[in-house]
Amino acid sequence: ETGVTQTPRHLVMGMTNKKSLKCEQHLGHNAMYWYKQSAKKPLELMFVYNFKEQTENNSVPSRFSPECPNSSHLFLHLHTLQPEDSALYLCASSQDKHPTYEQYFGPGTRLTVT
Amino acid sequence: GENVEQHPSTLSVQEGDSAVIKCTYSDSASNYFPWYKQELGKGPQLIIDIRSNVGEKKDQRIAVTLNKTAKHFSLHITETQPEDSAVYFCAALMDSNYQLIWGAGTKLIIKP
Repeated sequence: ETGVTQTPRHLVMGMTNKKSLKCEQHLGHNAMYWYKQSAKKPLELMFVYNFKEQTENNSVPSRFSPECPNSSHLFLHLHTLQPEDSALYLCASSQDKHPTYEQYFGPGTRLTVT
Repeated sequence: GENVEQHPSTLSVQEGDSAVIKCTYSDSASNYFPWYKQELGKGPQLIIDIRSNVGEKKDQRIAVTLNKTAKHFSLHITETQPEDSAVYFCAALMDSNYQLIWGAGTKLIIKP
């Protein structure tokens, strides 16, 4: 176990649904991340939070809405998704947002948009 | 834009043999290069990293080499074991936007 948990592990949703992904870290880290992982493609950084403040938004469509109520919890709210949004969504945390700090990843949520 | 190319996409080796995965990067100012291992059903986990002020780093059976002139770095795994089977990702810290840029991954298969 890495100390980062994600729920649900699997999610199937229609294009008109609204759902949320949850991430929790038990490591006392200050930075948290959302990544999108598609098969045979590089990891895509979506959002970065540091001390609950969003510091990076890599041109992510507004149908993805992150929320970080405290340094231990991170949510990704989903609405009106497209089939191409189907992927593994990974949450990660690190002691600091500086990229040279080790990132600890959760197991991911496998999202299928129908 | 800046990118990291990783080869091969799939690598199959006999147990006990060595495996080498190579990555090339585009930003000559990059100075930090981590390698992550992703086992089935899990998230990636850091296994080794190297900074631009050294050319090689070892940790037991794994090593990473860096050639700054050629802008490429490689992961070497010796005496491969079944538990080495996983997807391996390289990354490079880009000076332009101060973010890690990831390779597309290499699926390593260890044949018994």
